[in-house]
Amino acid sequence: DQQVKQNSPSLSVQEGRISILNCDYTNSMFDYFLWYKKYPAEGPTFLISISSIKDKNEDGRFTVFLNKSAKHLSLHIVPSQPGDSAVYFCAAGDTGFQKLVFGTGTRLLVSP
Amino acid sequence: DSGVTQTPKHLITATGQRVTLRCSPRSGDLSVYWYQQSLDQGLQFLIQYYNGEERAKGNILERFSAQQFPDLHSELNLSSLELGDSALYFCASSLGRDTGELFFGEGSRLTVL
Repeated sequence: DQQVKQNSPSLSVQEGRISILNCDYTNSMFDYFLWYKKYPAEGPTFLISISSIKDKNEDGRFTVFLNKSAKHLSLHIVPSQPGDSAVYFCAAGDTGFQKLVFGTGTRLLVSP
Repeated sequence: DSGVTQTPKHLITATGQRVTLRCSPRSGDLSVYWYQQSLDQGLQFLIQYYNGEERAKGNILERFSAQQFPDLHSELNLSSLELGDSALYFCASSLGRDTGELFFGEGSRLTVL
């Protein structure tokens, strides 16, 4: 049962443009959502998070949007840079965060 | 550098064998988590320890076991290995027992031949 889904395995964007990565979830108990970035041969690193009481959280070039009614969240990167090329994982947790459920990841390629 | 150290980085072994993966959490972190990432799969939660005690269990096989020691390092033991156990095994740590922000190690890549 895939509770967190990232339906796009890959995304290619030109430098300077907007990257939009999407994530859907099925468990309405999730109330905390995170995005992680992973470079090859490294572990995932925390990027940005949002709680279910908000619909938007911004940190520099990164903004996460949450649509609870649609059980959908998205990560916007503006402007995209070649250094953003990585695999992005969406993750969700419930109160207590006893475990984070991760999506399968989206590989982002930002070309110069 | 996340501060989480995993050893070994790579491990090749044969079916039926047993291996131990080791994790040292960030200084001060009390929780350790183990995740498995198989090819083209997301990170599957295996187990969490908090201050030496098991706190949460995920899709961990009975052939797998883990523990957290008094110095807070953790070991994941995988036995009777099968080809399908080939994967990246990540350890992560966090300060408390309930937090969404995890700090991951670089992973241990296990190949079972």
